[in-house]
Amino acid sequence: EPEVTQTPSHQVTQMGQEVILRCVPISNHLYFYWYRQILGQKVEFLVSFYNNEISEKSEIFDDQFSVERPDGSNFTLKIRSTKLEDSAMYFCASSVAGYNSPLHFGNGTRLTVT
Amino acid sequence: GQQLNQSPQSMFIQEGEDVSMNCTSSSIFNTWLWYKQEPGEGPVLLIALYKAGELTSNGRLTAQFGITRKDSFLNISASIPSDVGIYFCAGRTGTASKLTFGTGTRLQVTL
Repeated sequence: EPEVTQTPSHQVTQMGQEVILRCVPISNHLYFYWYRQILGQKVEFLVSFYNNEISEKSEIFDDQFSVERPDGSNFTLKIRSTKLEDSAMYFCASSVAGYNSPLHFGNGTRLTVT
Repeated sequence: GQQLNQSPQSMFIQEGEDVSMNCTSSSIFNTWLWYKQEPGEGPVLLIALYKAGELTSNGRLTAQFGITRKDSFLNISASIPSDVGIYFCAGRTGTASKLTFGTGTRLQVTL
C-alpha cells in the first residue's frame, strides 16, 4: 500500500539554525499538509498546500516557516531560525482531494532543538 | 478555532472488554475521521465518516457520525493487547481541507 515517507526520522539542531524536513507524499495525492505534535500533546495543524501554493495556515506557521514543492515528488518544511519551542514531532500528510478524502500521515520527523 | 474534546482522556481495560470513546465539539463538522497513534509513529486512519448519522465498521471497530454533526463516537469490541495506543478523532469544517484533531484517548489493555 502506498505511504507517505519522511526524512530524516530524527534531527537534532542548535537554536538559531535552519532545518529542512522532507516528505514524499503518496504519488496521486494533490493536497499536502504539515502538522506538529509536541510530546504528549495533540496533533496541531501547521499548513496545507495545493496547486503549488499555501491554501491555509495556522497561527503557529509564522514567518520562520516555509513550505515548498521543489519537484514532482518532494514536499518540504523549512524552519529558518529554530527555537527551543520548535522541538516536536513533525508529520507530513497528503490526501487525494480536499473534501471527502482522508489524510494519510507519514511516521514523522522528531526535531530536537538544543 | 474549532475545539474537539475527547473523553475519556485515558482508559485501562481488560482484554476482551468492549470500549467506547467519544468526541464532541461546539462547532459543526462535515467530516469525522478516527485515527490511532502508536509510540514513535504517525496517526493511522481507522474509519472515515462523511454523512450525519453514518455508522461505519472496520473489523472490531465501529464509528458513528452524530446527527447534530457536533459529535462522533468510536467503539472497539473484544479488545486485544494490540489495541493499545492513543485514539484521535479529527474533523473538517466548511470547505477547508485541513483536519482539526481532538485531544486524544489513551487506551491501555491488560491481560
